[in-house]
Amino acid sequence: GAGVSQSPRYKVAKRGQDVALRCDPISGHVSLFWYQQALGQGPEFLTYFQNEAQLDKSGLPSDRFFAERPEGSVSTLKIQRTQQEDSAVYLCASMANTGGPDEQYFGPGTRLTVT
Amino acid sequence: ILNVEQSPQSLHVQEGDSTNFTCSFPSSNFYALHWYRWETAKSPEALFVMTLNGDEKKKGRISATLNTKEGYSYLYIKGSQPEDSATYLCAFRSYNTDKLIFGTGTRLQVFP
Repeated sequence: GAGVSQSPRYKVAKRGQDVALRCDPISGHVSLFWYQQALGQGPEFLTYFQNEAQLDKSGLPSDRFFAERPEGSVSTLKIQRTQQEDSAVYLCASMANTGGPDEQYFGPGTRLTVT
Repeated sequence: ILNVEQSPQSLHVQEGDSTNFTCSFPSSNFYALHWYRWETAKSPEALFVMTLNGDEKKKGRISATLNTKEGYSYLYIKGSQPEDSATYLCAFRSYNTDKLIFGTGTRLQVFP
């Protein structure tokens, strides 16, 4: 079956531009996560949704970052007025949320380069 | 602040060698420890989810062990092949959250 997909795969933005990154989770998965991986680091948690509710946004680095999942499926991560330090791979993951230690299934990521 | 550490940072081995790497994590509020393999330009692939102290899991030539009391997990690869070249990530999940805390990964290169 289809896995998690993300688009675009690569994005180059000039400093100050707004960008929108899309995530299509596995169909039926309740939970959706966004992580940011900077060069040389492990992925770091940004935010997560259960259906359309954003339950935790403690990892968003600034108020320039905004995420939504209005119908409980597709999610968009928006970054306003991009800065060079926003350059990273943005990973999306979805999880069935059966109540146990479920796997998080990851997409291939969007590599954002801010010039 | 919850800290997950992996060592070594990188490893170069010859085809056929066996290898192992370490993940250390907080021993309190433990819920699960995840291992992923991440090849360049692909999605991170789930290898194992481990929950019980003393647990050992195996998938082909790859196996992992878990010690929740002292806060470490080992990943072993027997008879490494070039296709095993990837970054291996571990991630800790505590009881009160669904989010994962990742280590920085071990980058493995297997030379033919």
